[in-house]
Amino acid sequence: AQSVTQLGSHVSVSEGALVLLRCNYSSSVPPYLFWYVQYPNQGLQLLLKYTSAATLVKGINGFEAEFKKSETSFHLTKPSAHMSDAAEYFCAVSDQDWGGADGLTFGKGTHLIIQP
Amino acid sequence: KAGVTQTPRYLIKTRGQQVTLSCSPISGHRSVSWYQQTPGQGLQFLFEYFSETQRNKGNFPGRFSGRQFSNSRSEMNVSTLELGDSALYLCASSYGASYNEQFFGPGTRLTVL
Repeated sequence: AQSVTQLGSHVSVSEGALVLLRCNYSSSVPPYLFWYVQYPNQGLQLLLKYTSAATLVKGINGFEAEFKKSETSFHLTKPSAHMSDAAEYFCAVSDQDWGGADGLTFGKGTHLIIQP
Repeated sequence: KAGVTQTPRYLIKTRGQQVTLSCSPISGHRSVSWYQQTPGQGLQFLFEYFSETQRNKGNFPGRFSGRQFSNSRSEMNVSTLELGDSALYLCASSYGASYNEQFFGPGTRLTVL
């Protein structure tokens, strides 16, 4: 069974500061990993995904994440926070073992707060 | 290209009633997945349909069911509603493989009184 742990239900950073959202996963097979963002009253939007092509993945809005197999981590970073980054962020894992669209297993989410 | 659409956006029901939610995937997408989002449990996978067949199912009671039509549109049904079924129900569509991005709709907010 796969699982995702997101450390910190709330993270607060100042505008212009580094954003670091932590995600650790557990999977019995090589995983596909995703970061999604959710704005209030909206669905989820994909920020980036890891599918084994490259360990450093660049996504939209200046976000990137690095897959570290030895640490089973896939932390999300952004060099300089913007007020518009305030949202809920979800890390998710999908099992590579099955070729179908297996259900994504999500972390509990991290609420990112940007201080002016 | 139009995104995933879900109807209705908001719904209020009473305990014991049943409800049907609808999802229209992005054109060309054959896989539709459903998720339940609650403050307590977070995002949980309900089931996934591909070419009118349920391929995978999460850990939910039999009161939760779904189906997919030949045009890939999907419906989910919840019978005998309970207060705990109050949630945001999200639908996502994709081409159908694990590595494919799932595109999410805005969700249906179900309130059970």
